[in-house]
Amino acid sequence: QVQLVESGGGVVHPGRSLRLSCAASRFAFKSFDMDWVRQAPGKGLEWVSFISYDGTNKYYADSVKGRFTISRDNSKNTLSLQMDSLGPEDTAVYYCARMSGGAIHFYMDVWGKGTTVTVSS
Amino acid sequence: SYVLTQPPSVSVAPGQTARVTCGGNNIGSKSVHWYQQRPGQAPVLVVYDDSGRPSGIPERFSGSNSGNTATLTISRVEAGDEADYYCQVWDSSTEHVLFGGGTKLTVL
Repeated sequence: QVQLVESGGGVVHPGRSLRLSCAASRFAFKSFDMDWVRQAPGKGLEWVSFISYDGTNKYYADSVKGRFTISRDNSKNTLSLQMDSLGPEDTAVYYCARMSGGAIHFYMDVWGKGTTVTVSS
Repeated sequence: SYVLTQPPSVSVAPGQTARVTCGGNNIGSKSVHWYQQRPGQAPVLVVYDDSGRPSGIPERFSGSNSGNTATLTISRVEAGDEADYYCQVWDSSTEHVLFGGGTKLTVL
């Protein structure tokens, strides 16, 4: 069935960088907008970033704007999140999610299992 | 900025009806979506566009949205419904996804 698999998480020192990837399978990846959502330990869901199906539109939460960069490679069915200048507040499980609905109706109908990022000295 | 407000917790006995609310200024003019997240698992979409139900989601899950409150209703609650529930909208003015703070549903 439709699947999203995240990778790239790990333990990193404050100020360093990390790159997350999300491999999509069994659906037309190039036709869907995609998101990254994170969840800090014991906290709720926090939207991180959005990228349109063709990569032309990118949006970021204020908490990561200027530090994180979302991208995609439709030829490889892969979504990425480059995270720079990481701080302890970025410690979380990071999920990639497929967006459906469009326009004002955007919702996430497929989620990966997540990858854990820990920022600690 | 737009804010979605959910009660931290809701408790219900098995077989009863649970209602989880999501408050926001004129939220009735937006499309509201709901996610279920069981402990240690990824979120799952249970209601989209206020009242739509994805394939595979039981008919016991329903939604409504009017005025300043959207509601997720779970009928005939089962032990397996115990989870965190999040509402979500798309804020077109900021082009951001917004989540409510989440509600922990406890089945007594």
